[in-house]
Amino acid sequence: GENVEQHPSTLSVQEGDSAVIKCTYSDSASNYFPWYKQELGKGPQLIIDIRSNVGEKKDQRIAVTLNKTAKHFSLHITETQPEDSAVYFCALNTGFQKLVFGTGTRLLVSP
Amino acid sequence: DVKVTQSSRYLVKRTGEKVFLECVQDMDHENMFWYRQDPGLGLRLIYFSYDVKMKEKGDIPEGYSVSREKKERFSLILESASTNQTSMYLCASSLRLAENLLGNEQFFGPGTRLTVL
Repeated sequence: GENVEQHPSTLSVQEGDSAVIKCTYSDSASNYFPWYKQELGKGPQLIIDIRSNVGEKKDQRIAVTLNKTAKHFSLHITETQPEDSAVYFCALNTGFQKLVFGTGTRLLVSP
Repeated sequence: DVKVTQSSRYLVKRTGEKVFLECVQDMDHENMFWYRQDPGLGLRLIYFSYDVKMKEKGDIPEGYSVSREKKERFSLILESASTNQTSMYLCASSLRLAENLLGNEQFFGPGTRLTVL
């Protein structure tokens, strides 16, 4: 099936720095690319998504960019805060209404 | 407020036991999903259902079965639990889309951490 590679697996930044997480994929038919945040003891929650007809989308301090030609998409978090510490998963649609997820990035923001 | 609930947060079972994990959603969603989450492997789809009594295998269905008798409830069954099924199990639901539309948000429950001894 479709494979999604996510890097890095862990990311430590200082409060106020930016964080970037990147995912690459192989299925050119994918056209929906969500990002989920999982806080400790909770299920993942959608934080932002992008569709294939858009190259970039921004929501306050988070943004996602998509390069369909190169088959990669990235999550950008600016002015990181301690509450941004969590595990982040990229995903993309595959088949009918299913998602395949990346392996996750543990982000730690130190005060 | 949308909600997906799972019957247990923590569960400890013995090898060979039959295990039922229950998931209920209150959003009237057609689609429901079961994933398992393991360190370094992300979320992997076990089974999903797009309607009552309908089910399809995901990427890792071996050793599992599911049941969807009511729209709001989706059960994951481990017929004979094994130690390699020790994991975090996540249930999710989503609206069904028309086929020409792009993907949409999945809502997750808090997870059940299953330990098989």
